[in-house]
Amino acid sequence: ETVLTQSPATLSLSPGEGATLSCRASQSVGTSLAWYQQKRGQAPRLLIYDASNRATGVPARFSGSGSGTDFTLTISSLEPEDFGIYYCQQRIKWPPTFGPGTKVDIK
Amino acid sequence: EVQLVESGGGLVQPGGSLRLSCTASGFSFSNFWMSWIRQTPGKGLEWVANIKEDGSQKYFIDPVRGRFSISRDNAKNSLYLHMKTLRAEDTAVYYCARENGPFDYWGQGALVTVSS
Repeated sequence: ETVLTQSPATLSLSPGEGATLSCRASQSVGTSLAWYQQKRGQAPRLLIYDASNRATGVPARFSGSGSGTDFTLTISSLEPEDFGIYYCQQRIKWPPTFGPGTKVDIK
Repeated sequence: EVQLVESGGGLVQPGGSLRLSCTASGFSFSNFWMSWIRQTPGKGLEWVANIKEDGSQKYFIDPVRGRFSISRDNAKNSLYLHMKTLRAEDTAVYYCARENGPFDYWGQGALVTVSS
């Protein structure tokens, strides 16, 4: 299966700061990569699909980039509601797999 | 508004069985593949199974193949996960999710605990 590795494991930042999260795939997934946000006690929420497309209702401060094996989720300026865990997921290689997550917490 | 609501979770003994249900609303359920995804603190998010719009194709990950089955009733806008011969390692929160390329909508999750 395609293994996704995320870095860093934890990112401690203050509101207003920018965040850069990385996801690396063990083999090329083209641009079939999504990013999800999960807050405590909630289900994951789709943020970005096909590497760079924002899902409905997702603020413009979230952006995704990359292709092949290396992907980035960027949050331009953190809002208090952005703190949580972010997961990447690929869907082009069966089975669909998720990364272990990057926790963005308040510094 | 798209909504997915799971039910049927609970505590079950090792070797036991359980059926999870997911009721969908706010979209044309019969037009989408649907998936079950589980989450544990140790293994994170793990896709478990999915089913085609008309139920004619079903796929499972290796650890559950032969023990879990998936079905749907499009007339009732419902998805099911039938779990048998449950093991401690099946303990997780189980989410149903709509497939639309990525998993674009998720239910709130149902906790399944396998323990004696």
